[in-house]
Amino acid sequence: DSGVTQTPKHLITATGQRVTLRCSPRSGDLSVYWYQQSLDQGLQFLIQYYNGEERAKGNILERFSAQQFPDLHSELNLSSLELGDSALYFCASSVAAGRSYNEQFFGPGTRLTVL
Amino acid sequence: AQKITQTQPGMFVQEKEAVTLDCTYDTSDPSYGLFWYKQPSSGEMIFLIYQGSYDQQNATEGRYSLNFQKARKSANLVISASQLGDSAMYFCAMRELNRDDKIIFGKGTRLHILP
Repeated sequence: DSGVTQTPKHLITATGQRVTLRCSPRSGDLSVYWYQQSLDQGLQFLIQYYNGEERAKGNILERFSAQQFPDLHSELNLSSLELGDSALYFCASSVAAGRSYNEQFFGPGTRLTVL
Repeated sequence: AQKITQTQPGMFVQEKEAVTLDCTYDTSDPSYGLFWYKQPSSGEMIFLIYQGSYDQQNATEGRYSLNFQKARKSANLVISASQLGDSAMYFCAMRELNRDDKIIFGKGTRLHILP
């Protein structure tokens, strides 16, 4: 158990819908990262927040957005869902940002299926 | 641009044998970190080992060691005395320390340990 929690574990929805994935980082971790793992694209970095502020952005679609709240939990919002958004979405957390060794601990993931 | 290459999509190894999983990387940043993660069939991402670009010695963690050849831009994972529980997907990953905190992952190698 990495200490990172993600809910829900599984999510099945229809095209055009909107969903919210939730992540609670390890106690004391200030950075939260979101990754998408799909069969064709592999593991892709989406976005990072550090202490409530966006710090880095990767291959995140405009239909997707995220935020980190004062209690440091984070939410990833996916809207106007398409079949291709079906994937495993990971949240990871780390103590800090920008340090030389910054191990990221991954949550168990949320499996999103868009029908 | 960052790039991680894992040329072995799948490997079959007899139990108790050592196994080497290949990883090459490409970066122009002199400061970087290399990671290996394990993803069993249950889906979670498990951190295995880390090597910094300035580390003088190869990293080791129990049965895992990283064969770091900087000039060749190679960071192979060596698993000694393989066990059935080592059957999983293995990802090599890199973070450029002078850029941001995102980790770039390779496509992965699926390792099958045979009894």
